[in-house]
Amino acid sequence: GENVEQHPSTLSVQEGDSAVIKCTYSDSASNYFPWYKQELGKRPQLIIDIRSNVGEKKDQRIAVTLNKTAKHFSLHITETQPEDSAVYFCAASKGYSSASKIIFGSGTRLSIRP
Amino acid sequence: DVKVTQSSRYLVKRTGEKVFLECVQDMDHENMFWYRQDPGLGLRLIYFSYDVKMKEKGDIPEGYSVSREKKERFSLILESASTNQTSMYLCASSRASPRPAGSVNEQFFGPGTRLTVL
Repeated sequence: GENVEQHPSTLSVQEGDSAVIKCTYSDSASNYFPWYKQELGKRPQLIIDIRSNVGEKKDQRIAVTLNKTAKHFSLHITETQPEDSAVYFCAASKGYSSASKIIFGSGTRLSIRP
Repeated sequence: DVKVTQSSRYLVKRTGEKVFLECVQDMDHENMFWYRQDPGLGLRLIYFSYDVKMKEKGDIPEGYSVSREKKERFSLILESASTNQTSMYLCASSRASPRPAGSVNEQFFGPGTRLTVL
């Protein structure tokens, strides 16, 4: 079945620096790639997503890139701030018309050092 | 504003007990999901439902069952709880994908239930 691998599992960066989280997926039919952020003690929330007909998408300090040939996608956070500290999950989906099943990666715990 | 609620934040049960975890959403979403979250393993899908009385197995359905009698409520059942089912359980809901097929909608998560099985 579909598998999503995520690296690194933990990441610590200096405030103001950039952070990059990388994911690979196994099913070439996947066409939707969301990223969820889970702050400590809170529920996961969607922060950005990308569809397979797009190579890059930006939203302020956050950007996602997708390489369909290599089956890689990445999350880039620039000018990191303390509130970026959280666990980030990448995910992949084939976008079925009914249940919208999503396969999540194992998560990256991002810590921002002051 | 979407609201997904779960019946308990913390639950302690004994091995062999039957456990019910309840999830309710108030946005008339067609799809509902149950995940378990364990350190280093991310969010693993247990079961999902795309309509009332409909259910499909996720990646780790063994030891669990579900019930969806009403659109807004999705229940996860542990028939005979075991210690390896100690985990954080997250419920989520989403709208059915819009036409044309191939679109996927955001999943909205509940606050989670931390279940401990002794």
